Amino acid sequence: DTEVTQTPKHLVMGMTNKKSLKCEQHMGHRAMYWYKQKAKKPPELMFVYSYEKLSINESVPSRFSPECPNSSLLNLHLHALQPEDSALYLCASSQVGIGGKNIQYFGAGTRLSVL
Amino acid sequence: DQQVKQNSPSLSVQEGRISILNCDYTNSMFDYFLWYKKYPAEGPTFLISISSIKDKNEDGRFTVFLNKSAKHLSLHIVPSQPGDSAVYFCAASVYNFNKFYFGSGTKLNVKP
Repeated sequence: DTEVTQTPKHLVMGMTNKKSLKCEQHMGHRAMYWYKQKAKKPPELMFVYSYEKLSINESVPSRFSPECPNSSLLNLHLHALQPEDSALYLCASSQVGIGGKNIQYFGAGTRLSVL
Repeated sequence: DQQVKQNSPSLSVQEGRISILNCDYTNSMFDYFLWYKKYPAEGPTFLISISSIKDKNEDGRFTVFLNKSAKHLSLHIVPSQPGDSAVYFCAASVYNFNKFYFGSGTKLNVKP
């Protein structure tokens, strides 16, 4: 099973709303990632969790708040977003680099629209 | 500053012919490279990878070539099939480090 499941698939929210994106994997991976992807652009790394601890924050605004409650789950809490935050949000997971292949497996993404 | 570049936003190839997708990088510390394929409304799917100790890796119809001196890698698909039509991203990282840098993608269209 190489599946990363993201919910919801689509989300429309107003600038004053609070919402959460969810990501789940059962591959035993201990690294999980959030990416943001705009149209015709590469995925842009936001956060990396390694062994449930935040290891990389790519200077993401505080209106995005990640959470890793356990090794299988990753959340992204959204609050007071701006229209320019509208994008595809991708979750990925991988083994923590241990000398083997470090392949990231991606979910299908959440298409977020901020009105 | 984009450290991984795919200079061809699109490529069109006839079914059965070879598709060659190119990728350049600037960071000499990169030593692990991957190709991902992405269909609309889906997340990127891992295709093939190569570490810097090799200059070629092959998996069925897909072969990745790495030229370290030129900081260039390419993906060859032979023979190309209509189902290969997708956006292809190359990515690079330092081996064992959990941060990947992605190129902007090349949209491949394989015509029947």
